[in-house]
Amino acid sequence: AQSVTQLDSQVPVFEEAPVELRCNYSSSVSVYLFWYVQYPNQGLQLLLKYLSGSTLVESINGFEAEFNKSQTSFHLRKPSVHISDTAEYFCALSNTGGFKTIFGAGTRLFVKA
Amino acid sequence: KAGVTQTPRYLIKTRGQQVTLSCSPISGHRSVSWYQQTPGQGLQFLFEYFSETQRNKGNFPGRFSGRQFSNSRSEMNVSTLELGDSALYLCASSLGGSQLYSNQPQHFGDGTRLSIL
Repeated sequence: AQSVTQLDSQVPVFEEAPVELRCNYSSSVSVYLFWYVQYPNQGLQLLLKYLSGSTLVESINGFEAEFNKSQTSFHLRKPSVHISDTAEYFCALSNTGGFKTIFGAGTRLFVKA
Repeated sequence: KAGVTQTPRYLIKTRGQQVTLSCSPISGHRSVSWYQQTPGQGLQFLFEYFSETQRNKGNFPGRFSGRQFSNSRSEMNVSTLELGDSALYLCASSLGGSQLYSNQPQHFGDGTRLSIL
């Protein structure tokens, strides 16, 4: 069975501080990994994805995530957060041959001034 | 390119009624998935349709059903509504298809917020 675990339900952080949102997964087959962001009263938006190749992937707004196969992790990081990064972040996986995306429970990021 | 469109955005119903929600995927996307999002349970997978066929189903009672039309638009229906059905219902589309497309991300609509009184 496949699963995604987001280790923190809420992460408060001050503006301009670094942040890491943790994600671990479980799967017996190769996976594709995604991070999505959800702002209030909106649907989820794709932030970044790991399909293959370089284990470090980046988004256009400064987030990055590193695929670590040995630790089965895909943590999301940003070196300096902004108030506008306040949102809920979801880690997700799908696998080769699968037609279903499995989502983690989400992590609420609160950026304080 | 237009995004995923869900209608209506907000809906208020009473217990025992039924409701139909609509989702229009991105043009060219043939897979449509439905999710229920609540503060307590998070994001839960309802079902996924591809080419008018249900390919995957989550662990929801039979009161929750869906269908997909030949133009890939999808509807979900909830009968005999219960208070616990109050949630944000999200629809997501992707290219779908064979294994070659399983690495495609999902594109979400803004959801339908259903409130049961």
